[in-house]
Amino acid sequence: DADVTQTPRNRITKTGKRIMLECSQTKGHDRMYWYRQDPGLGLRLIYYSFDVKDINKGEISDGYSVSRQAQAKFSLSLESAIPNQTALYFCATSGGQTSGIYEQYFGPGTRLTVT
Amino acid sequence: RKEVEQDPGPFNVPEGATVAFNCTYSNSASQSFFWYRQDCRKEPKLLMSVYSSGNEDGRFTAQLNRASQYISLLIRDSKLSDSATYLCVVTRPNNAGNMLTFGGGTRLMVKP
Repeated sequence: DADVTQTPRNRITKTGKRIMLECSQTKGHDRMYWYRQDPGLGLRLIYYSFDVKDINKGEISDGYSVSRQAQAKFSLSLESAIPNQTALYFCATSGGQTSGIYEQYFGPGTRLTVT
Repeated sequence: RKEVEQDPGPFNVPEGATVAFNCTYSNSASQSFFWYRQDCRKEPKLLMSVYSSGNEDGRFTAQLNRASQYISLLIRDSKLSDSATYLCVVTRPNNAGNMLTFGGGTRLMVKP
């Protein structure tokens, strides 16, 4: 089984709809991240969480919110989806300072299309 | 200036060729460096960490030059399966503790 899973894998939604993307991990990592990837722009950080009580905005957090329900679960919500939020979304995890492991491990991605 | 810069390519090489990618980073306080591989429409996967002394993993060799702030990846005896986008990744030390900054990637296409 994959260490980092994301649901749904693909989603088409309409402008104005609320949508939630979910991420779960079995790696036992404290840190979790949400990124979006657009062609030609690389990976951009939306939100990150270093533990259940810690949530931080990334470089492009406007229009998004997150919830860290447990160490293993981190969800991303689009409160009112708009077409320019069409992108590939990745969840990632890392061990962080307690483990000295900074490399991140990614889920398979969610392809979101907003029409 | 971008924090991590890479030539986007594509690099088109024949099977068996040796190919090298470079990456430059702007934050001299960066401590950890990685190369990730990303196949089309798939998630990035850690290829290798980059150590100060340089390191090798099979056909892949990574080098770090702190003075010039660049990282390189050398692939020997290219295989068709090496075709992918290679992401240079650097830690960005800050109060939050070593976040990762990703380069835009270099695309490699290995031809028969």
